[in-house]
Amino acid sequence: DQQVKQNSPSLSVQEGRISILNCDYTNSMFDYFLWYKKYPAEGPTFLISISSIKDKNEDGRFTVFLNKSAKHLSLHIVPSQPGDSAVYFCAASTQYNAGNMLTFGGGTRLMVKP
Amino acid sequence: ETGVTQTPRHLVMGMTNKKSLKCEQHLGHNAMYWYKQSAKKPLELMFVYSLEERVENNSVPSRFSPECPNSSHLFLHLHTLQPEDSALYLCASSQNLGDRPTEAFFGQGTRLTVV
Repeated sequence: DQQVKQNSPSLSVQEGRISILNCDYTNSMFDYFLWYKKYPAEGPTFLISISSIKDKNEDGRFTVFLNKSAKHLSLHIVPSQPGDSAVYFCAASTQYNAGNMLTFGGGTRLMVKP
Repeated sequence: ETGVTQTPRHLVMGMTNKKSLKCEQHLGHNAMYWYKQSAKKPLELMFVYSLEERVENNSVPSRFSPECPNSSHLFLHLHTLQPEDSALYLCASSQNLGDRPTEAFFGQGTRLTVV
């Protein structure tokens, strides 16, 4: 059973508008959440993270929101740019594992149209 | 070179072959990982090495054999693979602080095709 789920396989947004990517998780032990971006033929690139003690973390155009009671997090990109077109993965971890292991969602392909 | 480097980028091998994937990190991290990404499936953790000791073997078949000779290098030895093992194999590294998780940095991956 998937512990981290991204229910939207794809999302299309107009340039300049907001992109909202969603992620749900089931394991209440997760306490650290990350977003990665992946271009074709490249490895995932770290974007932004959030600890469970926070409900929001912002870095430039990227903001991650965490709703622990709903076990839901989202990534907001505003304004969206064509270069943001990629596959976005959310991932979760817990400080209680020895090796800092990540559990990934299946990804959402974002297409930003000029 | 900086970051996490994987070689080769592409590999085609027969089911009776033996090959190895190599990963090198130049970030000074103390943990390294192998992940697998199959078509239409999430990235799956295979192995974790922290401080050069294997701390996780995620029920991976024995035809995959990892090796971590030092904190900067990680290998994945492959033998008698099956066509369903064809996937993108990603190496990652991170700095384990002990008291909180940190982000992992990924290599570009090796696209493996088993014929």
